[in-house]
Amino acid sequence: DAGVIQSPRHEVTEMGQEVTLRCKPISGHDYLFWYRQTMMRGLELLIYFNNNVPIDDSGMPEDRFSAKMPNASFSTLKIQPSEPRDSAVYFCASSLTTGGSSYNEQFFGPGTRLTVL
Amino acid sequence: AQSVTQLGSHVSVSEGALVLLRCNYSSSVPPYLFWYVQYPNQGLQLLLKYTSAATLVKGINGFEAEFKKSETSFHLTKPSAHMSDAAEYFCAVSDRGYQKVTFGTGTKLQVIP
Repeated sequence: DAGVIQSPRHEVTEMGQEVTLRCKPISGHDYLFWYRQTMMRGLELLIYFNNNVPIDDSGMPEDRFSAKMPNASFSTLKIQPSEPRDSAVYFCASSLTTGGSSYNEQFFGPGTRLTVL
Repeated sequence: AQSVTQLGSHVSVSEGALVLLRCNYSSSVPPYLFWYVQYPNQGLQLLLKYTSAATLVKGINGFEAEFKKSETSFHLTKPSAHMSDAAEYFCAVSDRGYQKVTFGTGTKLQVIP
């Protein structure tokens, strides 16, 4: 399996521009998570989906951030307009519910390093 | 709400020495607890997890952790550090029945030759 795929790996943009981060989860996984990692705030959960439906978006910092999951194999995180304080590494992770377990291992992608100038 | 506190943002050990990374949790219900490892420029990967079976949990790469309810702790240990263990380690907690996980701030482990 190719694992969780994220693109781009690096993104440099200017303040005010729209940024779209992309994620392809592991095939068959039914949960998808978006995280943000910074030195100051550590690893924060932004939003997660179950079977393409957003379950909890309480971690989304503000209205400039939006996430979609149009199908089971693709999700986007969009920032519009971007600001320098959005600079961070953004991770996507997916997991599969099996055997009735209420928690299963999350598999992380390699992340997208975003720099907003 | 659940939370975890990792004591020490940086830990240095000599190669071959004991590794001890500390984690204390707070949860209003019996938790699930996890340790993840992150190597440079990579995503996180699961080392081990506690889900209420044995209190001593063994993970990959020789790591293990012990759940101590009385101390609300879930410290990570490895008897003998290897150079390849240099990475950042994250403790995490989730409430049973929920997929949402709360991560600690991480501890960077340096292994000195």
